[in-house]
Amino acid sequence: QSVLTQPPSVSAAPGQKVTISCSGSSSNIGNNYVSWYQQLPGTAPKLLISDNHKRPSGIPDRFSGSKSGTSATLDITGLQTGDEADYYCGTWDSSLSAVFGGGTKLTVL
Amino acid sequence: QITLKESGPTLVKPTQTLTLTCTFSGFSLSTNGVSVGWIRQPPGKALECLALIYWDDDKRYSPSLKSRLTVTKDTSKNQVVLTMTDMDPVDTATYYCARWYSSSWDYWGQGTLVTVSS
Repeated sequence: QSVLTQPPSVSAAPGQKVTISCSGSSSNIGNNYVSWYQQLPGTAPKLLISDNHKRPSGIPDRFSGSKSGTSATLDITGLQTGDEADYYCGTWDSSLSAVFGGGTKLTVL
Repeated sequence: QITLKESGPTLVKPTQTLTLTCTFSGFSLSTNGVSVGWIRQPPGKALECLALIYWDDDKRYSPSLKSRLTVTKDTSKNQVVLTMTDMDPVDTATYYCARWYSSSWDYWGQGTLVTVSS
């Protein structure tokens, strides 16, 4: 059971937009930055979004993040087949540990 | 260029102790604000942070696994070592090391699959 809650799966057609949610509490998301990771099949996770909404160099602006209260959201616009992956949110928790969501599998129909 | 790479056994027996080494380059673990941690992922399951060691040697552990984990660093060798005692088949997972910087895991190793089986 992950500390942060994500939907197990989302799907959309190529070119469309998809939103992935991440829900936590005041012990984690409510008082800390949220980051997002993309894990393509068979590979290590890759940082997509840091500090709630910042994109590292090389990440397309099709990916955007936001946070409100104890929840965060990852938006992906202009979906491509290459975006099919598992997406994880992460943050720090007052238990003094980094935590992750359970992951969301994105299917591009 | 920042890289991290995990090394260690691919197979351990139940009750044994697992020792994994993360060798990194492109940054120093003596730099203020830099940390290196261990994250695991059982097959088909989610990511779980195990341990984190800071530039000043402060350490953080997963509350549920704290009694079994030890993380150390050798700054001169650019290495971080994780030991996990009393391994069980449920500990079968891919183990990643990653850099924790500015509230995110910004660089990851390729991961190493550890299987626990007799």
